[in-house]
Amino acid sequence: QVQLQESGPGLVKPSETLSLTCTVSGDSISNGYYWVWIRQPPGKGLEWIGSINYSGTTYYKPSLKSRVTMSVETSKNQFSLRLRSVTAADTAVYYCATVGGDAFDIWGQGTMVTASS
Amino acid sequence: SYGLTQPPSVSVSPGQTASITCSGDKLGDRHASWYQQKAGRSPVLVIYEDSKRPSGIPERFTASNSGNTATLTIRGTQSMDEADYYCQAWDSSIAVFGTGTKVTVL
Repeated sequence: QVQLQESGPGLVKPSETLSLTCTVSGDSISNGYYWVWIRQPPGKGLEWIGSINYSGTTYYKPSLKSRVTMSVETSKNQFSLRLRSVTAADTAVYYCATVGGDAFDIWGQGTMVTASS
Repeated sequence: SYGLTQPPSVSVSPGQTASITCSGDKLGDRHASWYQQKAGRSPVLVIYEDSKRPSGIPERFTASNSGNTATLTIRGTQSMDEADYYCQAWDSSIAVFGTGTKVTVL
């Protein structure tokens, strides 16, 4: 059974870079799936940030594309998110998840990130 | 950009049927998925490829997708079904979520 666990700082200063890692257990990150980041601001809906596969092919939400970088570390069975120049609007719970078929079938527990000085 | 619209809220009595709609341009030409999110929890996939249930999802959850509207139906609604529900589809390789519907079991 695949499990995902997000990790990273819970507090980021405005204008700085948010960095999160998702550790995959129970399967290899190189098995051909796509891996995604999704976020949810407090009291609001879900927002897809981007997808990446084991070879590093990425797709990003157009409105975030200029600030987002996703990467894969196959040796550690992890994938990561970097979001530059954060503002208060980036405050959210950040989830990592897998794409099974064309749906997000397995989710991490989520990690709250607050952008504040 | 592609958008998916859901009603903000749906109320249902225990044992009755709740229907949640998701509207988007030619949504029926894409696959729709549905997620259930209970308060303080991660979302859970309840429907994929328009109408398929993952293992462990009760049979009372059914769905359809045609034209511009996908619909999630919960028959014999139970108090445990009270949650936020989100539809989702793909626009090329970009994932889009619906605006979300809060289901209240009165």
